[in-house]
Amino acid sequence: EVQLVESGGGLVQPGGSLRLSCAASGFTFSSHSMDWVRQAPGKGLEWLSYVTGGSGTIYYADSVKGRFTISRDNAKNSLFLQMNSLRVEDTAVYYCAREAYMDVWGKGTTVIVSS
Amino acid sequence: QVVLTQSPSASASLGASVKLTCTLSSGHSSYAIAWHQQQPEKGPRYLMKFNTDGSHSKGDGIPDRFSGSSSGAERYLSISSLQSEDEADYYCQTWGTGFVVFGGGTKLTVL
Repeated sequence: EVQLVESGGGLVQPGGSLRLSCAASGFTFSSHSMDWVRQAPGKGLEWLSYVTGGSGTIYYADSVKGRFTISRDNAKNSLFLQMNSLRVEDTAVYYCAREAYMDVWGKGTTVIVSS
Repeated sequence: QVVLTQSPSASASLGASVKLTCTLSSGHSSYAIAWHQQQPEKGPRYLMKFNTDGSHSKGDGIPDRFSGSSSGAERYLSISSLQSEDEADYYCQTWGTGFVVFGGGTKLTVL
């Protein structure tokens, strides 16, 4: 079964850091590009970052450029999002998704930024 | 940058059909899009990718009641024989060099 499972969310203070993980299974992870997407409470979906299968191309949304870093470990079928300088407005459910057109989604992990 | 515009809400009766619209910004009518469904309190689910040549690829298990079409800069998601579980938010999405963008979503109410 094709599956994505996010982890690493939690409560963090403003200015803090958090590293999210996304474990992939059921498909050849290295052959697919991956994305991170978030959804703030009561809001729509917001794309954050994209990485190609070999990590040769990476894109970021302006809202997180310079603060968030996407990476992947194809040997461990894992995708990561390092989030630094977190702000209250980064509070959201964070999802990983496969391919630019997001044909597979994880169930999400919740990040709360609050003092 | 491409902008996708969706009506905030739509409604239709149980058993009826509905057509949701996603409009690509000026100069970007050639982009393919994807449609995603998000039922209340759940994560998003991929419905289909719709290419400008009319071809599309649906997600696993997506019923034939869901179909896509296009006209110029508009992309449509049609749902027939509406069921209660179709009540959800529907997002269109596109991508290109350096970006991925979502529409604001349409909240579909099944009456």
